[in-house]
Amino acid sequence: EVQLVESGGGLVQVGGSLRLSCAASGFTFSGYWMSWVRQAPGKGLEWVAHIKTGGSENYYVDSVKGRFTISRDDGKKSLFLQMNSLRAEDTAVYYCARYGNWGREDYWGQGTLVTVSS
Amino acid sequence: QSALTQPASVSGSPGQSIAISCTGTSSDVGGYNYVSWYQQHPGKAPKLMIYDVNNRPSGVSNRFSGSKSGNTASLTISGLQAEDEADYYCSSHTSTNTLVFGGGTKLTVL
Repeated sequence: EVQLVESGGGLVQVGGSLRLSCAASGFTFSGYWMSWVRQAPGKGLEWVAHIKTGGSENYYVDSVKGRFTISRDDGKKSLFLQMNSLRAEDTAVYYCARYGNWGREDYWGQGTLVTVSS
Repeated sequence: QSALTQPASVSGSPGQSIAISCTGTSSDVGGYNYVSWYQQHPGKAPKLMIYDVNNRPSGVSNRFSGSKSGNTASLTISGLQAEDEADYYCSSHTSTNTLVFGGGTKLTVL
């Protein structure tokens, strides 16, 4: 059974940093691209970033470029999102997702809440 | 990276069929057969319902189907049931190898 478990969310001040983690199990982690998707309170889904197998290529939504970094540790079957220079508009539930193929997030974690407060 | 356009809400009675549209551009929906649909119940994680325009993952009811014409994709739910009431999102691969979601549609089963 595919399982994705996020951690690391919490309350942080504007301008601060936070590192999210996602522990994967039930599939060959190294064989899949992985993603972060967020959802602001009461709003829709927004794709944030994804990382290629092996970590050689990363892609980001424009609003987080230069502030967020996605990375992975295939040995630990873990995905990370380093978030710097946080803004109030980054407040959201952040989901870890398996990027099954182009255009498809086929498995999702339960999410971790990040609250950026001034 | 503009969001795909979906209607804010749709509704239908039990047993009826409804369709939700998802409009993009030639750089996303129109350019690739990589459109997916997700169902999200309140407080829950999204669930993949359709991928590659018209394919269902194992375990998803055949009451859910997808299609695409030009820059617009559609999700059709037939034989509406109370448990279908949820938010639905489309997504598409883009020409810059990113992913874009639609704004979401709230389905109400009357």
